[in-house]
Amino acid sequence: GQQLNQSPQSMFIQEGEDVSMNCTSSSIFNTWLWYKQDPGEGPVLLIALYKAGELTSNGRLTAQFGITRKDSFLNISASIPSDVGIYFCAGQLRETSGSRLTFGEGTQLTVNP
Amino acid sequence: DTGVSQDPRHKITKRGQNVTFRCDPISEHNRLYWYRQTLGQGPEFLTYFQNEAQLEKSRLLSDRFSAERPKGSFSTLEIQRTEQGDSAMYLCASSLTAGNTIYFGEGSWLTVV
Repeated sequence: GQQLNQSPQSMFIQEGEDVSMNCTSSSIFNTWLWYKQDPGEGPVLLIALYKAGELTSNGRLTAQFGITRKDSFLNISASIPSDVGIYFCAGQLRETSGSRLTFGEGTQLTVNP
Repeated sequence: DTGVSQDPRHKITKRGQNVTFRCDPISEHNRLYWYRQTLGQGPEFLTYFQNEAQLEKSRLLSDRFSAERPKGSFSTLEIQRTEQGDSAMYLCASSLTAGNTIYFGEGSWLTVV
């Protein structure tokens, strides 16, 4: 099935470092979402973006909805060990396609204490 | 906990057997989605319901798969004559209306041996 291009696939960082990951698509979306998934659990919503150019923060997390509506990035500042997990971007077309989500392949984040 | 609830969390079955998963969405959410996730991949859309009506099915949903939401509340996903390729995590999600934020359950792991 269609998926978004998410990069990097994995990151190994030291505690306290900042992290940046991004997602690109050949298709336009009108909503971008970022989820975090721990092993054996379902994805948990971190940030939702609804307007092109929107920049939204949630604690140490900041995400932006690209102007072209085909990309988004997520930044994590001052990483801590509990940030470990897989981060997924997801694009959504509201009011069409059942508002289904199209997911990236995930970025595996490892934080070394 | 008033989140999306899935049962069972884990299921091991022999090839050829039938399995059924249940999802209880967040109360009053009229949209319910089923996704499938394999290791190293993001979730992929299978089907969704608006109340009790199944409005869209992915090509991933072969004729061995059937989903129901008889009263517009909980949903079941049945897989008949399971194959090893069906091994995956099956995620249920719900939202209040079309285009609203989609929340995921913790998933049901299926292992076909």
